[in-house]
Amino acid sequence: QQQVKQSPQSLIVQKGGISIINCAYENTAFDYFPWYQQFPGKGPALLIAIRPDVSEKKEGRFTISFNKSAKQFSLHIMDSQPGDSATYFCAASTGTGRRALTFGSGTRLQVQP
Amino acid sequence: GAGVSQSPSNKVTEKGKDVELRCDPISGHTALYWYRQSLGQGLEFLIYFQGNSAPDKSGLPSDRFSAERTGGSVSTLTIQRTQQEDSAVYLCASSFGTGGMNTEAFFGQGTRLTVV
Repeated sequence: QQQVKQSPQSLIVQKGGISIINCAYENTAFDYFPWYQQFPGKGPALLIAIRPDVSEKKEGRFTISFNKSAKQFSLHIMDSQPGDSATYFCAASTGTGRRALTFGSGTRLQVQP
Repeated sequence: GAGVSQSPSNKVTEKGKDVELRCDPISGHTALYWYRQSLGQGLEFLIYFQGNSAPDKSGLPSDRFSAERTGGSVSTLTIQRTQQEDSAVYLCASSFGTGGMNTEAFFGQGTRLTVV
């Protein structure tokens, strides 16, 4: 099963709040889990990525939490800003990223000032 | 170039016509991917090229879709006898293809295809 399930479909957060987006996967062969950010009219851009040998990775205001036993991972955006308003996609692949990515359906985040 | 370049940025075509979409990857990237993004949807994998290996065509939705990569660089995605359901943004990405945490796939801005 190659599917990656993402929720919620849309999210509205107040400026300064925490945005949380969740993803779940079935394929236990996945070993690379990136999050991509996409602004309207642009291609997706890598935000942060994690491998399953760690449970958490933090880069600035962005944190990935990874639960291997539950086959779930999430993106936390701390101190959310209006400039974070975009669509976020979780993804997964095998071969430590060498293979094509399987994407979630996306979460449209709106951060209100 | 500095990034992945795709052309055209927009393409309107009549149903039944053939279209060619072009992708110019980042210099030195051996891996190239094509994805399709329908309105409000996630990205659907189409095809993957890695160096001189046979491409992974497992995501192509029908035999009307084909792609080639010449000289390990520029790639062309061809859709024959276009249908209205082919309308989408077609995204190309490239990476070093070596795996590991430095395996970021860089995306182009996409080609928005509209079949009327």
